Amino acid sequence: KNQVEQSPQSLIILEGKNCTLQCNYTVSPFSNLRWYKQDTGRGPVSLTIMTFSENTKSNGRYTATLDADTKQSSLHITASQLSDSASYICVVSARDAGGTSYGKLTFGQGTILTVHP
Amino acid sequence: DTAVSQTPKYLVTQMGNDKSIKCEQNLGHDTMYWYKQDSKKFLKIMFSYNNKELIINETVPNRFSPKSPDKAHLNLHINSLELGDSAVYFCASSFRTALNYGYTFGSGTRLTVV
Repeated sequence: KNQVEQSPQSLIILEGKNCTLQCNYTVSPFSNLRWYKQDTGRGPVSLTIMTFSENTKSNGRYTATLDADTKQSSLHITASQLSDSASYICVVSARDAGGTSYGKLTFGQGTILTVHP
Repeated sequence: DTAVSQTPKYLVTQMGNDKSIKCEQNLGHDTMYWYKQDSKKFLKIMFSYNNKELIINETVPNRFSPKSPDKAHLNLHINSLELGDSAVYFCASSFRTALNYGYTFGSGTRLTVV
């Protein structure tokens, strides 16, 4: 069964500090892994997308890593800001028989990050 | 603004009623989706349409019926609403063949059945 597990479930840090969120998955066959940020009351917004051959990708202060061998990913946030307070969701896409992966997403339950001043 | 827009944002209704949620995207995407986010915050796909054709239909009660009048619109109609239908419903869109491109989500419709 395809699963995505994230840790920690919640995290509180002080503004300016760094943090790392973890994601383990068992989705197969793997197509790509995405990190989304979901603000309260809003839809998820894509931060990074990585395919099998990519092991790191950055988007501003967000850096995602992927180890396809161990099926682990992390999202590192540098110099956190109050606006980083949100739920961060790891999403893994499986490749279907046709070679496409649309809609075949497995979502983690997210890590709720709270940044305090 | 280019976006995926859903209406209404909030919907409170009684058990047994029939309701619809509308979704529109102006991104030129050819595929649209409905996701349900339950109280545990997991997002699960319900339906997917590509160019008005149903391509994904997960195990969803047949009280839920999606309708796609054109590739820019995907509406969700729910009959005989039950308490367990209370959740946040997200519409999303993407390009079908763009494996490495992100989905764009709407801001969600919070449905509360009382």
